[in-house]
Amino acid sequence: GIQVEQSPPDLILQEGANSTLRCNFSDSVNNLQWFHQNPWGQLINLFYIPSGTKQNGRLSATTVATERYSLLYISSSQTTDSGVYFCALGGSARQLTFGSGTQLTVLP
Amino acid sequence: DTGVSQDPRHKITKRGQNVTFRCDPISEHNRLYWYRQTLGQGPEFLTYFQNEAQLEKSRLLSDRFSAERPKGSFSTLEIQRTEQGDSAMYLCASSLVLGGEQFFGPGTRLTVL
Repeated sequence: GIQVEQSPPDLILQEGANSTLRCNFSDSVNNLQWFHQNPWGQLINLFYIPSGTKQNGRLSATTVATERYSLLYISSSQTTDSGVYFCALGGSARQLTFGSGTQLTVLP
Repeated sequence: DTGVSQDPRHKITKRGQNVTFRCDPISEHNRLYWYRQTLGQGPEFLTYFQNEAQLEKSRLLSDRFSAERPKGSFSTLEIQRTEQGDSAMYLCASSLVLGGEQFFGPGTRLTVL
């Protein structure tokens, strides 16, 4: 089946630091999304990025479909950025296959 | 609020009871998905509807699970004879087009005692 691997599994940062989260995948990309899951379990859409680069404020993402990876950049991190970040791939199948997530903790 | 909504948000039940969850997708979205998430894991796909047609089911969807989308709008997920292993967050998502961006509801957290 489709494999989606995220790294690192855990990341602890001091407020103000920058970070890069990585997502490797095994299938061709029709859809790739990055989510932030808040403490109540809500998945918040960050990026829909099957290819290319997008930026939204302090967050940006890049997907290189030919090399089967995507990166999420967080700059000037804030405590409110804490939570679990998921990468999810919609390949040849209709549904999304999620990675196991990166647990980010930003310390004040 | 024009996002995906789910009801109830929390459900506590005893083993062996039946439960039903509801999902209302974004109004113009004709594609609807159910996922299940257990603690410490990413969500896993359960089933997919295009309009009222259930087009795909995961092998995670045992015969105790049934999903419907009778008029191509809201959907229900029923679990019969619940087991403790069914305890999880049940998430619903919708999208406008195949391969398009999926938007998730707040989930229903099920606890089976």
